[in-house]
Amino acid sequence: NAGVTQTPKFQVLKTGQSMTLQCAQDMNHEYMSWYRQDPGMGLRLIHYSVGAGITDQGEVPNGYNVSRSTTEDFPLRLLSAAPSQTSVYFCASSYSKGDYGYTFGSGTRLTVV
Amino acid sequence: GNSVTQMEGPVTLSEEAFLTINCTYTATGYPSLFWYVQYPGEGLQLLLKATKADDKGSNKGFEATYRKETTSFHLEKGSVQVSDSAVYFCALAFYNQGGKLIFGQGTELSVKP
Repeated sequence: NAGVTQTPKFQVLKTGQSMTLQCAQDMNHEYMSWYRQDPGMGLRLIHYSVGAGITDQGEVPNGYNVSRSTTEDFPLRLLSAAPSQTSVYFCASSYSKGDYGYTFGSGTRLTVV
Repeated sequence: GNSVTQMEGPVTLSEEAFLTINCTYTATGYPSLFWYVQYPGEGLQLLLKATKADDKGSNKGFEATYRKETTSFHLEKGSVQVSDSAVYFCALAFYNQGGKLIFGQGTELSVKP
């Protein structure tokens, strides 16, 4: 059981480049989310999804796009990378009931130069 | 809006000391409450949870009780070990509203031998 798998683990981008952070889960979870973690700010929600075909914005969505065409996958796209997007990104998934909490991936450390 | 406030760190303790990390929340309604732990270089792991008032979550010697009257979910452990050194995050979620996790800023714990 792989849980939540994020790729890549590390990435360096130049300002203005685009890229996609991949996230896949094999637990048949309905809910999936993307967070960014910055020093002293905890984790902030970027986008989330309650099921295939349904996505919505979180607290800090600007500069990011998501789609959810299958239950398993929830990619995060950076359209035109900026230095302010340098962060650690975590994907998480959960059943639609809160009894089990969220399972997190191991993260992607992104640096934009 | 909904929010979570944790005591600031870092917290430094000697091995076998008693640990309390304070967490209070502001929310409209009755969310599910969680403690997550992040070891260096890793993603977040669910430590314990409580889904209704007066529930006590427990795991690995850690405990927290959902106190509706004081809107608190303080984390405690009777005797910490060096291996407990990590960052601890308190979080809330409303699972009937898409299950979005809202995190506190995290509390770093360092346990010295």
